[in-house]
Amino acid sequence: LAKTTQPISMDSYEGQEVNITCSHNNIATNDYITWYQQFPSQGPRFIIQGYKTKVTNEVASLFIPADRKSSTLSLPRVSLSDTAVYYCLVGMNYGGSQGNLIFGKGTKLSVKP
Amino acid sequence: EAGVTQFPSHSVIEKGQTVTLRCDPISGHDNLYWYRRVMGKEIKFLLHFVKESKQDESGMPNNRFLAERTGGTYSTLKVQPAELEDSGVYFCASSQDRGGSGLETQYFGPGTRLLVL
Repeated sequence: LAKTTQPISMDSYEGQEVNITCSHNNIATNDYITWYQQFPSQGPRFIIQGYKTKVTNEVASLFIPADRKSSTLSLPRVSLSDTAVYYCLVGMNYGGSQGNLIFGKGTKLSVKP
Repeated sequence: EAGVTQFPSHSVIEKGQTVTLRCDPISGHDNLYWYRRVMGKEIKFLLHFVKESKQDESGMPNNRFLAERTGGTYSTLKVQPAELEDSGVYFCASSQDRGGSGLETQYFGPGTRLLVL
């Protein structure tokens, strides 16, 4: 699976938009880009997934440029409760042998009042 | 719908003892994964069940670890005998097979925090 690089940490204030960029230069044609969120003492939680262009759900937006070598997770108007570690993962997620996720160190987002 | 549950939430044992962790996946999810994070490291894959069969156990660290999923429902992960380096958080996740669409989402449990003294 493609290796990812993302900032170790980020700080923000309540109400701001936060953008976390992830680099994945070796992404393969069949790879999807997935972001997970993890709060302390909890397991990771799926946020959003995309293949190309832009994906939006009720939680976040994911921007993927045409070359797919990077992606940006956008969190609109963050609140204190968005303080968490955010993981960018790249790979195929099938129910078979490629099903395991490979986590990096993630980006620790701290939202301040 | 109940999420993935894990038991116990915490376990403190002495080196050489045996510990069994349990994971109950979301009902109907054929895929069940075990992951762990040891102190200061990334979350690492251990193994993957599809129903009761081990699909991929390439992440299991050694033969002191034994995972089972009899009947294709809940799973257990036994560590025997436990060593100091086994301390960490063990996560279980489950997912529904979408037939290779590439959009499988894994749902994680809260983890079991294991401390080996």
